[in-house]
Formats: sequence, C-alpha cells, structure tokens
Amino acid sequence: QSVLTQPPSASGTPGQRVTISCSGSSSNIGTNTVTWYQQLPGAAPKLLIYNNDRRPSGVPDRFSGSKSGTSASLAISGLQSEDEADYYCAAWDDSLSAPWVFGGGTKLTVL
Amino acid sequence: EVQLVDSGGGLVQPGGSLKLSCAASGFTFSGAAMHWVRQASGKGLEWVGHIRSKANNYATAYAASVRGRFTISRDDSEKTAYLQMNSLKTEDTGVYYCTRLWIGWSAFDIWGQGTMVTVSS
Repeated sequence: QSVLTQPPSASGTPGQRVTISCSGSSSNIGTNTVTWYQQLPGAAPKLLIYNNDRRPSGVPDRFSGSKSGTSASLAISGLQSEDEADYYCAAWDDSLSAPWVFGGGTKLTVL
Repeated sequence: EVQLVDSGGGLVQPGGSLKLSCAASGFTFSGAAMHWVRQASGKGLEWVGHIRSKANNYATAYAASVRGRFTISRDDSEKTAYLQMNSLKTEDTGVYYCTRLWIGWSAFDIWGQGTMVTVSS
C-alpha cells in the first residue's frame, strides 16, 4: 500500500490528452513539492516534473504538472506511442517513518 | 557525461549479506545527497534510504522496512556510494537503483541503471 495514491492504469489514443492523478496528505503533498518520473519498460526512472510543475531541460512541453491541496496531477497532451510507460509521483513526507514516498505507479497504454 | 553506475547485485540466500556500489561521474559527488530506491518485480518504487554530504555530517536515514539491516555509506575520494544489506529477506528481492537528490529541485535527477538482487534459497 503506497502512501501516495495513483490509478493503476490509464490509456488514450495518439493525439489525445491524458491526466494521471496523485493523492496524498498534509504531511507530504500538502506541505511539500511533487515530482513525477517516467519509467519506460526495462529502464530506470527518469525525472519528468519537479517542483510540482517544472520541466527539466529536454522534457517535451507536452508534459505538465499541477498541484492543489493534497493532490497533484500529470497531464500529457498530444499523446504519442513512445509515451507508453509507467508514471510515478513522489514527495517528501514530514513524518519520521519514511522521508520520501512514492505513488504506486500508473501504467499508461497508448491504444 | 553525468552518470551513476550501479553494481554488486546477485543471488543470495535468506539471512545473507550483499554490498551494492554506485559509481558516480560527471558531477561533484562530494556535495551530493545520494539515495537508494528499489523496485520489486512488477511493483512500484520504494525509497530505501539516503546519505547526505560531508557538510551535512554524512547523515543517513532509512525506510522502516530496512532499518537496522541496511547501511548506506560513501567514499567521496572514490566518488562511490554503497548499500550494505544484511539479514536479507525474500521480500528484499528486486532491482536497486542509486539516485542523486538535486536539492534545489527536491527531485531525483540522476539515476543508475539498477542492479538486481535476488534473495532465495
């Protein structure tokens, strides 16, 4: 059971816009910034979004992030086949038991 | 090139030990906070622990699931971080990644390729 809650799956057709949610609590998302990671099959995770809505250099502007209260979202517009991957949200948690927490991951399928 | 290279994984029996290494290049390793994250087969990411820089007294922290069994260390002269795993359990099986926490972004911006640890009799 992950501390951050994500839907296990999402799907869309090429060109569509897809949104993935991430729900947390006041000790993590409610207080700290959210990051998003993309994990292609058989590869290591890759940073996609930091500070809730900032993109590292090289990440297409089709990817965008937002945060409101204790929830965050990742949106992918103009969906492409190469976007098929697992997506994880993460945040610092102020509780002592686990400083860093991840969502359970969302498998995105491009139909 | 900025990169992390994970190594040291393998097959170990329950109760055994294993030491993973994470070799860094292309950035100032001594100032970086280094973390370990693991992933069981077909499962999500789980934070394992971290070690901060010398400026932060090499402070460490661990997930409850590994606390008391795993130890993270670093050798700044070798630009390498380590994960010593003792009293291994079958549920410790998975791919282990080292990653750098970029403080300014509060994000894991560089990841190793991962090394597979299998705990089985």
